[in-house]
Amino acid sequence: EDQVTQSPEALRLQEGESSSLNCSYTVSGLRGLFWYRQDPGKGPEFLFTLYSAGEEKEKERLKATLTKKESFLHITAPKPEDSATYLCAASSRMHYQLIWGAGTKLIIKP
Amino acid sequence: SAVISQKPSRDICQRGTSLTIQCQVDSQVTMMFWYRQQPGQSLTLIATANQGSEATYESGFVIDKFPISRPNLTFSTLTVSNMSPEDSSIYLCSVGPTGIRGYTFGSGTRLTVV
Repeated sequence: EDQVTQSPEALRLQEGESSSLNCSYTVSGLRGLFWYRQDPGKGPEFLFTLYSAGEEKEKERLKATLTKKESFLHITAPKPEDSATYLCAASSRMHYQLIWGAGTKLIIKP
Repeated sequence: SAVISQKPSRDICQRGTSLTIQCQVDSQVTMMFWYRQQPGQSLTLIATANQGSEATYESGFVIDKFPISRPNLTFSTLTVSNMSPEDSSIYLCSVGPTGIRGYTFGSGTRLTVV
């Protein structure tokens, strides 16, 4: 069964303290691995799509990487405005529906 | 990438009533998805709506409770019928995959049933 697991459930960091969020996946024939940011009361906001192992993408303080089993979202020197829930999702070649992880709630303290 | 306008943004409804949520997309898209997100949880797919065909519902969701319309390639509605407090959630529409940005989401409808 296709599955996406995110860890940790919650992460509290001091401003400037770098860390990584993990997304493990078991998907038959990965089509794409997606990272989204979601602020309270809002819809998910697209961050990255990764398609193949070894691929990396960056945007400001965020960097996403992909292996054959997992993806990492690295956050470098985070700021309080980076506080949000980060969601990971995968799509397979069998269908277009996304398989979602439970999310990681990131809190950056000033 | 597509831009989605979702309405209403929030509503408080009496139990036993129905609410229809609308999603308008600024470009033609083949697939639209409807999700439910309960407080503190991730997204759960309700159904996939393709224009010109019946929506495909996920396990645990039925058409009588969540009827969906998809009259054209830019618009869809989800109705939450005969509501109970357990239906209190955020409901989201999404389209994709489109271009390099994958799947785009509406801003969500926060529904409270009292």
